[in-house]
Amino acid sequence: NAGVTQTPKFQVLKTGQSMTLQCAQDMNHEYMSWYRQDPGMGLRLIHYSVGAGITDQGEVPNGYNVSRSTTEDFPLRLLSAAPSQTSVYFCASSYFGPGQGAHGYTFGSGTRLTVV
Amino acid sequence: KQEVTQIPAALSVPEGENLVLNCSFTDSAIYNLQWFRQDPGKGLTSLLLIQSSQREQTSGRLNASLDKSSGRSTLYIAASQPGDSATYLCAVGGLGGTASKLTFGTGTRLQVTL
Repeated sequence: NAGVTQTPKFQVLKTGQSMTLQCAQDMNHEYMSWYRQDPGMGLRLIHYSVGAGITDQGEVPNGYNVSRSTTEDFPLRLLSAAPSQTSVYFCASSYFGPGQGAHGYTFGSGTRLTVV
Repeated sequence: KQEVTQIPAALSVPEGENLVLNCSFTDSAIYNLQWFRQDPGKGLTSLLLIQSSQREQTSGRLNASLDKSSGRSTLYIAASQPGDSATYLCAVGGLGGTASKLTFGTGTRLQVTL
């Protein structure tokens, strides 16, 4: 099924460890982005990309790195995990162009990360 | 900086009622506005997307309106059902290259009771 695939679904890290959250989409969407969701704060943008090779920071980028070497993949790297990074992470892709149904945002099912 | 507010934060209604969820945003220079549904512990499901040039969108029992000049959107749910119980999120997309950047409200938690 076409969509956005995030792996892993759950992860527990120790403080100081690094890891990569994977995000892949098969809809040939130009735009991809990462959000974190925390209770009472809604979803906040971490990093986003408007195409392969182009990334930029969102609202809460500190402690995270991204790269976009292909249209399909947009991994999020935690450099040195901290308890404040305990959250649910969502990846999204979007496309803005001509055609019925060509607009809009598709979200992955999320990665629930706990840092102890 | 764009800010999105959703009122009320929580709502409980009996089955069959029509209801309105409200969303307001501070910067009217938007590309689009999208309503999502989120069930507990789950991801986001797209409900309706309104482009900045549109006034409303409809899908089944759902109708979303957009008044860009006043910075407001409403989501109307007709004949509510227990299966509509979820958190509803409003998100605004910025202009140009920032269209992929969504600013979210904190949501309205809806419970539809039997």
